[in-house]
Amino acid sequence: NAGVTQTPKFQVLKTGQSMTLQCAQDMNHEYMSWYRQDPGMGLRLIHYSVGAGITDQGEVPNGYNVSRSTTEDFPLRLLSAAPSQTSVYFCASSYSGTGRPGANVLTFGAGSRLTVL
Amino acid sequence: GESVGLHLPTLSVQEGDNSIINCAYSNSASDYFIWYKQESGKGPQFIIDIRSNMDKRQGQRVTVLLNKTVKHLSLQIAATQPGDSAVYFCAEVYNNAGNMLTFGGGTRLMVKP
Repeated sequence: NAGVTQTPKFQVLKTGQSMTLQCAQDMNHEYMSWYRQDPGMGLRLIHYSVGAGITDQGEVPNGYNVSRSTTEDFPLRLLSAAPSQTSVYFCASSYSGTGRPGANVLTFGAGSRLTVL
Repeated sequence: GESVGLHLPTLSVQEGDNSIINCAYSNSASDYFIWYKQESGKGPQFIIDIRSNMDKRQGQRVTVLLNKTVKHLSLQIAATQPGDSAVYFCAEVYNNAGNMLTFGGGTRLMVKP
């Protein structure tokens, strides 16, 4: 089925370990983004990309890296995990541009629950 | 900074009643608003959107109202069903932020049978 696919669904890390959360979409969306969701904090934007080869920081980028080598994939890397990064992570994508049908309407993945001990 | 927020963190309604979920926004430059529904263990799903040049938009059992004078957004769900139980988020977009959405903290809707 078309949509946003995230892996893994669950992950437990020890402090200092590194890992990559994978995100892939098959809708040919230009825009992709990563959010984290914490209780009482809503969804906060970590990093985003408006197209292959272009990435930018969101509201809470520290401790995370991203790359966008293809239109389809947008992995999120934690280089040295910290307990403060325990959260649920969502990848989302959409068409870009204003006034374009479907632009700004994000399609979300199912989420990746990360626990850092 | 600019923010989007919600008045009620939890709303409990009887099955069959109408539900109203409210949202306040502070950025008068926002020109597009979206409501998302998030069921337990899933990602947010698009429900309905509205542009700032409109004050009302209707979908199937849902209506979004926008009052720009007081910077208020609401989501009305008619004949609420158990399947409507979820957390609802409003989000705002303003042109100079491209596709970036600012989300509110969410309201949990609980439907009693």
